[in-house]
Amino acid sequence: QSALTQPVSMSGSPGQSITISCIGTSTNVGNYDLVSWYQQFPGKAPKLIIYEVNKRPSGVSSRFSGSKSGNTASLTISGLQAGDEADYYCCSCAGGAAVIFGGGTELTVL
Amino acid sequence: QVQLQESGPGLVRPSQTLSLTCTVSGDSLSGSTFFWGWIRQHPGKGLEWIGYTYPGGTTHYNTSLESRVSIAVDTSKNQFSLSLRSVTAADTAVYYCARDVTGMYYFDFWGPGTLVIVS
Repeated sequence: QSALTQPVSMSGSPGQSITISCIGTSTNVGNYDLVSWYQQFPGKAPKLIIYEVNKRPSGVSSRFSGSKSGNTASLTISGLQAGDEADYYCCSCAGGAAVIFGGGTELTVL
Repeated sequence: QVQLQESGPGLVRPSQTLSLTCTVSGDSLSGSTFFWGWIRQHPGKGLEWIGYTYPGGTTHYNTSLESRVSIAVDTSKNQFSLSLRSVTAADTAVYYCARDVTGMYYFDFWGPGTLVIVS
């Protein structure tokens, strides 16, 4: 399967809200409420920030929220901060116990 | 706190086998209810799922790699391993091991990653 489709880059100003989309198909995102999101800083391992579409692990800021509509999942970051500047990846069950990631979005905080 | 640490050669010759080990602390692979997997990231690129294993049970691989990849568990050492055969320069990447919450398809703990160069 091809990677889930994410915008290559996005930018926003401090305090703004930004929404990153993750477009899949009816065989992955659209068929399962099993979308997760990861934040990755340069040279570091990804960190789980959203799982099962809209759940946050303990310790993750409530400024991060997730949603899904049809074949598209979304990650919204509200009250953008300089420390949110990172790469963000979506991930979904792809059927048959397979996992598929998005291509990643580079977020710049202006 | 669960911790994972990858180890293995940082340089592999083309056509050889890439072998990495992930050592787990803070959780036991014996009787584990989690999947334990590998993900890689080509330089400057996105994440690619390689596969994962359920100790004592099934193993699942990315179909694009399954002809060359094996994941195994050594519960006595609390480790699991990755073998990728017949490597080429296209297998140069940072390799991460991670814990997958069984049935939920998300990775809650990751190792720091290890760069493997095929050259």
